[in-house]
Amino acid sequence: EPEVTQTPSHQVTQMGQEVILRCVPISNHLYFYWYRQILGQKVEFLVSFYNNEISEKSEIFDDQFSVERPDGSNFTLKIRSTKLEDSAMYFCAGSQGIGEQFFGPGTRLTVL
Amino acid sequence: QQPVQSPQAVILREGEDAVINCSSSKALYSVHWYRQKHGEAPVFLMILLKGGEQKGHEKISASFNEKKQQSSLYLTASQLSYSGTYFCGTEIGATNKLIFGTGTLLAVQP
Repeated sequence: EPEVTQTPSHQVTQMGQEVILRCVPISNHLYFYWYRQILGQKVEFLVSFYNNEISEKSEIFDDQFSVERPDGSNFTLKIRSTKLEDSAMYFCAGSQGIGEQFFGPGTRLTVL
Repeated sequence: QQPVQSPQAVILREGEDAVINCSSSKALYSVHWYRQKHGEAPVFLMILLKGGEQKGHEKISASFNEKKQQSSLYLTASQLSYSGTYFCGTEIGATNKLIFGTGTLLAVQP
């Protein structure tokens, strides 16, 4: 069964550094998402991406964040200048349309 | 805008039933239900669409009261594998933007 993959599984970075989180969605999916989950809390929507552009974003997704689908397979989330409060699990997800969103295993980001 | 889930936590014995509720103050287009085990990604269980269409798994059922903007997830004859945190995700328009509730921790004991 196809699945969403994410790399790295764990990223440790210093405050102020840039990080890029990578995702390979399921090949026939058209919609892509990033969510984050601070330890012990709920899953929070960051951004959705369709047809090579952002379709929705949350208040969390400020100018420090950007997304790209550079080569038609990878889907990346970049945080330009990380803050301590960016420490969280970041999940990539995808869907064919309205309906089930398939989540990847997540990248745990730790900002020191 | 965040949906409210109840109860916050529930402990069951194997074979018992549980109901988890999700309510929103906004008119909803759809409600999604996910289960997350500790340290893992959320896994899709069910989607309920405005107008009554449901898509999900056989052993889990759910309802969506459009007038009250409430959804309930019904877990019957619980198994140990049902343990985890259950999240409802609500969608206000056909946007695919899911706003998740705070979760309900379900623990099934032998």
